[in-house]
Amino acid sequence: EAGVAQSPRYKIIEKRQSVAFWCNPISGHATLYWYQQILGQGPKLLIQFQNNGVVDDSQLPKDRFSAERLKGVDSTLKIQPAKLEDSAVYLCASSSPGLAAPNEQFFGPGTRLTVL
Amino acid sequence: AQSVTQLDSHVSVSEGTPVLLRCNYSSSYSPSLFWYVQHPNKGLQLLLKYTSAATLVKGINGFEAEFKKSETSFHLTKPSAHMSDAAEYFCVVSDILRGASKIIFGSGTRLSIRP
Repeated sequence: EAGVAQSPRYKIIEKRQSVAFWCNPISGHATLYWYQQILGQGPKLLIQFQNNGVVDDSQLPKDRFSAERLKGVDSTLKIQPAKLEDSAVYLCASSSPGLAAPNEQFFGPGTRLTVL
Repeated sequence: AQSVTQLDSHVSVSEGTPVLLRCNYSSSYSPSLFWYVQHPNKGLQLLLKYTSAATLVKGINGFEAEFKKSETSFHLTKPSAHMSDAAEYFCVVSDILRGASKIIFGSGTRLSIRP
């Protein structure tokens, strides 16, 4: 089966600019996650979707970050405006069947964001 | 509250010797625990998971981990290290709270293998 797709793979922007990342999960996976991984740290969960609904966005900086999964399939994560500290790898993951038992997450290759 | 602590940021072993990567967790509920591996410039891959079945869990590439509730530990081991095991390893704790998975990654342990 095809894996989790993410684009772009790399992005360089200046602070205060906007940026968007796209993720297409594995077909049929109801749960989609966005993580931020700062260099030298473990991934931090930003937001979790179950189909097109948000189930956890407690660590999403909502003043500048937003995410949507309108049709319950692919998803976009946006940063507006970006700050220097947003430089990180943004990982998308998906899992199945649902929330009843935490299951294996399949990760995409990530988008490496550099904010200058 | 949940937390996960990987006790070593860097472990270096010789090829053919045992590997031990340590992980302690804190959870108010009955957690699921995972180990993921991240090779340079590659995506995260699941090594193994514990979900309240057998306490000794076997994973891919000869890795295994033992869930010890009394010690709140989930250490990762391998009897004999291979050069291809050099990577970053993450311990993950996951609980179901109010119908949602709460997922926390450890800070990671970088494993180096000496020839």
